[in-house]
Amino acid sequence: NAGVMQNPRHLVRRRGQEARLRCSPMKGHSHVYWYRQLPEEGLKFMVYLQKENIIDESGMPKERFSAEFPKEGPSILRIQQVVRGDSAAYFCASSDRGNTEAFFGQGTRLTVV
Amino acid sequence: SQQGEEDPQALSIQEGENATMNCSYKTSINNLQWYRQNSGRGLVHLILIRSNEREKHSGRLRVTLDTSKKSSSLLITASRAADTASYFCATDLGYGNKLVFGAGTILRVKS
Repeated sequence: NAGVMQNPRHLVRRRGQEARLRCSPMKGHSHVYWYRQLPEEGLKFMVYLQKENIIDESGMPKERFSAEFPKEGPSILRIQQVVRGDSAAYFCASSDRGNTEAFFGQGTRLTVV
Repeated sequence: SQQGEEDPQALSIQEGENATMNCSYKTSINNLQWYRQNSGRGLVHLILIRSNEREKHSGRLRVTLDTSKKSSSLLITASRAADTASYFCATDLGYGNKLVFGAGTILRVKS
């Protein structure tokens, strides 16, 4: 049973470009969460999705960031017109339902140059 | 400020010693989870303890939860060099798995 798969592991983008981060949850999991981790800090919640629905996006910046979890395929975190401050590690987690263990992927490390 | 705050921020011990890390939080929780993160890697889930539980064990790990004090501790017994990592507590406020993480404790086990 593969764990949570994120790709790419590392992503370099120039300022103004778009970044697309993918997350495939564990088999059987329908709840997906995205977190961001700045250097030397803990993780900060961004968004919680179930298939085709955004349940809670209270941690998402109001502009340039969007997330989706379509019926088929991975969850996508999209960052438009990236800026240097978007450089961070972005982690995806999944669970089979709320309030059970969340299993994390290895993360995507985004560097904006 | 952070819901979960760990202390100490950093801990350095000799192999074989026990390591204790503490976590305090501010609001009522549904459960509290501990994670380990090796440098530059993803998070590994260690233990989930629910609000109606007081203690949980997993191998060399022991987690306690005191809801009256809004605190939890993670004890690693007979530490090994491979335990060197950052350890985070995360609180689940009861709405899905919207976890609130502390800044973590950096543990270094010297061989």
